[in-house]
Amino acid sequence: GNSVTQMEGPVTLSEEAFLTINCTYTATGYPSLFWYVQYPGEGLQLLLKATKADDKGSNKGFEATYRKETTSFHLEKGSVQVSDSAVYFCALSAPEGGSYIPTFGRGTSLIVHP
Amino acid sequence: NAGVTQTPKFQVLKTGQSMTLQCAQDMNHEYMSWYRQDPGMGLRLIHYSVGAGITDQGEVPNGYNVSRSTTEDFPLRLLSAAPSQTSVYFCASSSRTSGNRDTQYFGPGTRLTVL
Repeated sequence: GNSVTQMEGPVTLSEEAFLTINCTYTATGYPSLFWYVQYPGEGLQLLLKATKADDKGSNKGFEATYRKETTSFHLEKGSVQVSDSAVYFCALSAPEGGSYIPTFGRGTSLIVHP
Repeated sequence: NAGVTQTPKFQVLKTGQSMTLQCAQDMNHEYMSWYRQDPGMGLRLIHYSVGAGITDQGEVPNGYNVSRSTTEDFPLRLLSAAPSQTSVYFCASSSRTSGNRDTQYFGPGTRLTVL
């Protein structure tokens, strides 16, 4: 079946540091890939997505590139801010049993210190 | 356009009580789903629906019922609450036919405590 593996947290960084959160996946066919962000006390919201190989999703300074050869979709940001502190979820959407219910990773907590 | 709404935001139940968590969306999405989120466990799928009148079980369906009589509403029923059902519950919706295909839209969550 489909699966998503992302690095465990928490990831603790100082403001303006470079961020990478690793995500790898297993899926049949050609999945769509997503990063969602969850701020404290809120639901998840879409951060960025990519729908085919070599596509780069980007939003709010975050980027991720769909790498089919390594089945990866790593999240990066060049300079994090305190306001980026949140939990980040990698996810994919691919057919399984006739449905397109997404598969989520377990989430990675990011803590950014001033 | 309110997106996905959930009520209530907070709820405290006693063991054995029943209740319904409400979820509604105004985006005409065909897919709706319920997740629970527990510390260290990520999101776990409880039930989902691919359209009005169609529901199916997810990863952790025991103790929960759902129905989908309209496109907009997808209530989650706890039949006899247990302390193990203490969690944060999220409803989500998506579409395979809209421009943002397969993007999940989440509600703000319901924080449930069972004593």
